[in-house]
Amino acid sequence: QSVLTQPPSASGTPGQRVTISCSGSSSNIGGNTVNWYQQLPGMAPKLLIYRYGQRPSGVPDRFSGSKSGTSASLAISGLQSEDEADYYCATWDDSLNGWVFGGGTKLTVL
Amino acid sequence: EVHLVESGGGLIQPGGSLRLSCAASGFTFTDYEMNWVRQAPGKGLEWVSYISGSGSNIHYSDSVKGRFTISRDNARNSLYLQMNSLRAEDTAIYYCASSQAVPAATDAFDYWGQGTLVTVSS
Repeated sequence: QSVLTQPPSASGTPGQRVTISCSGSSSNIGGNTVNWYQQLPGMAPKLLIYRYGQRPSGVPDRFSGSKSGTSASLAISGLQSEDEADYYCATWDDSLNGWVFGGGTKLTVL
Repeated sequence: EVHLVESGGGLIQPGGSLRLSCAASGFTFTDYEMNWVRQAPGKGLEWVSYISGSGSNIHYSDSVKGRFTISRDNARNSLYLQMNSLRAEDTAIYYCASSQAVPAATDAFDYWGQGTLVTVSS
């Protein structure tokens, strides 16, 4: 089981807003920034959100990230079919002295 | 344009050794920390190892500590992962991933390679 907890699946219809949660503890999310990665089928992961909600160049502003205490969330507004992918949260864990990932959430666009 | 290209994967028997390489281009290699992240077939992402830009700071996940060794050759813009005492559970796609440290740290895996498949089986 992963150190960070994500729901295994999420779904929405085109145009909807969906949220994916990521739960951790004081040694990881509670004290560090949370990053989000998108992995399209058969592809390498891609950075989506980093450092308190920043987006790399080219990532649409439909994607946003937030953190509260020991939990974080990824929100996708105006859902599109090309958003169908696996999404992973990740952060540094001070106790483990290493990076930790969530188990991943498979997003289906209905 | 940033490019990370992994190589060295393949089929190896349990207990064997393998050395993965990651060739970097398109950025100032020493300004970036580097990591190895793996993904077992049909499973999620698992961080394996980290090395700082100078190579002086290194971390490993508990699952590979004592068996894997990360290194980098900044003159060749290359990252390596020496994997010894391989087990079936090490079977995965291995990705190298960069993390900008200079001029501003992103504290994230900014770029990823396409991955190289390691299969440990008899």
